[in-house]
Amino acid sequence: KAGVTQTPRYLIKTRGQQVTLSCSPISGHRSVSWYQQTPGQGLQFLFEYFSETQRNKGNFPGRFSGRQFSNSRSEMNVSTLELGDSALYLCASGRGAGYEQYFGPGTRLTVT
Amino acid sequence: GDSVTQMEGPVTLSEEAFLTINCTYTATGYPSLFWYVQYPGEGLQLLLKATKADDKGSNKGFEATYRKETTSFHLEKGSVQVSDSAVYFCALISDAGKSTFGDGTTLTVKP
Repeated sequence: KAGVTQTPRYLIKTRGQQVTLSCSPISGHRSVSWYQQTPGQGLQFLFEYFSETQRNKGNFPGRFSGRQFSNSRSEMNVSTLELGDSALYLCASGRGAGYEQYFGPGTRLTVT
Repeated sequence: GDSVTQMEGPVTLSEEAFLTINCTYTATGYPSLFWYVQYPGEGLQLLLKATKADDKGSNKGFEATYRKETTSFHLEKGSVQVSDSAVYFCALISDAGKSTFGDGTTLTVKP
């Protein structure tokens, strides 16, 4: 079974730009969660989607948004990028509430 | 809200030493508990899980027992190897499906 895939793996953007990251979950998984990982803040939960609906949301500004498609693939978007948005963005998929999550390799975003 | 508190690192051990990484949690209801491991440059991998009180999760020589009375889920391994060097995360998923992770504990095992 193929694992969680994320594209692109690396990205360099400048301040003020916007970016879209993509995540393809494991086949059959309907839950997709997004996390931001930085050395200073650790692993921070962004949001979770299940069957195209946002079910949980972390404490991030409205510049961070996401969506999930009918095939469970998910995208997250960050608008008006700031230097502090530089991080590893991880996507995780699962079967649903209470089940373990499987992580992708992440997208390394650098904002200059 | 829910929270997970992990033993602060970094932890440095010699090969074949005994490992304990403490994890305690705060959550309402009956969360599921997990340990994940992250190797350099990679995403997190599920190491083990426990879904109810007194369950013991185990994998690759690592073990952790869900202790509801002490709200703990400590990770243990009897004899660590250099290849176990990584960052370990304790996590919970609440009844509502929300995930909370600890800050991670960096383990370095020296030959």
